Amino acid sequence: AQSVTQLDSQVPVFEEAPVELRCNYSSSVSVYLFWYVQYPNQGLQLLLKYLSGSTLVKGINGFEAEFNKSQTSFHLRKPSVHISDTAEYFCAVSPSIQGAQKLVFGQGTRLTINP
Amino acid sequence: EAGVAQSPRYKIIEKRQSVAFWCNPISGHATLYWYQQILGQGPKLLIQFQNNGVVDDSQLPKDRFSAERLKGVDSTLKIQPAKLEDSAVYLCASSLLRYVGGTEQFFGPGTRLTVL
Repeated sequence: AQSVTQLDSQVPVFEEAPVELRCNYSSSVSVYLFWYVQYPNQGLQLLLKYLSGSTLVKGINGFEAEFNKSQTSFHLRKPSVHISDTAEYFCAVSPSIQGAQKLVFGQGTRLTINP
Repeated sequence: EAGVAQSPRYKIIEKRQSVAFWCNPISGHATLYWYQQILGQGPKLLIQFQNNGVVDDSQLPKDRFSAERLKGVDSTLKIQPAKLEDSAVYLCASSLLRYVGGTEQFFGPGTRLTVL
């Protein structure tokens, strides 16, 4: 089974400051890793995903994440945030086994951007 | 392309009543998922369909929840009877393929259920 821990439930930052949202996972098998964003009253939207290859993954809206297998982490970063980045961010994993697409989500991190 | 459609967007019922949610996935998507998102938590998978067959319903409370996907297109999730702890947002998602790892799931806006 897989589990995901998002280490911060809320992260407040000032506009144009850098931000890092932390995610750790646990799994007995290899996994794929995802970050989703949820804007108020909307569904989830994929920001980026790691399947294989380069451990630094770039996504939409200037976000990037780095897969660290030894630390079982997949932290999300943005060098300069904007007011429009205010949202809930979810880290998720799924087993990298053919036919297994079950996503297991973390509890979410609420990112608040202050002017 | 049109996204995943869900209705209603909001529903308020009293405990022990019944409720149904509807989802229309993106055209051509074979796999459909229903998630439950309780306030302050991440989404939890309730049931996964591949075309009109159930792939995974291990976390569906089958004594009160049921779901169907007739003709492999749209789907209905029902709760009968509802309990207070069923208050949550119910998200529907779809993806193009099941057997390709890492395939993106596209989410609808959700139905917010309040049970009084």
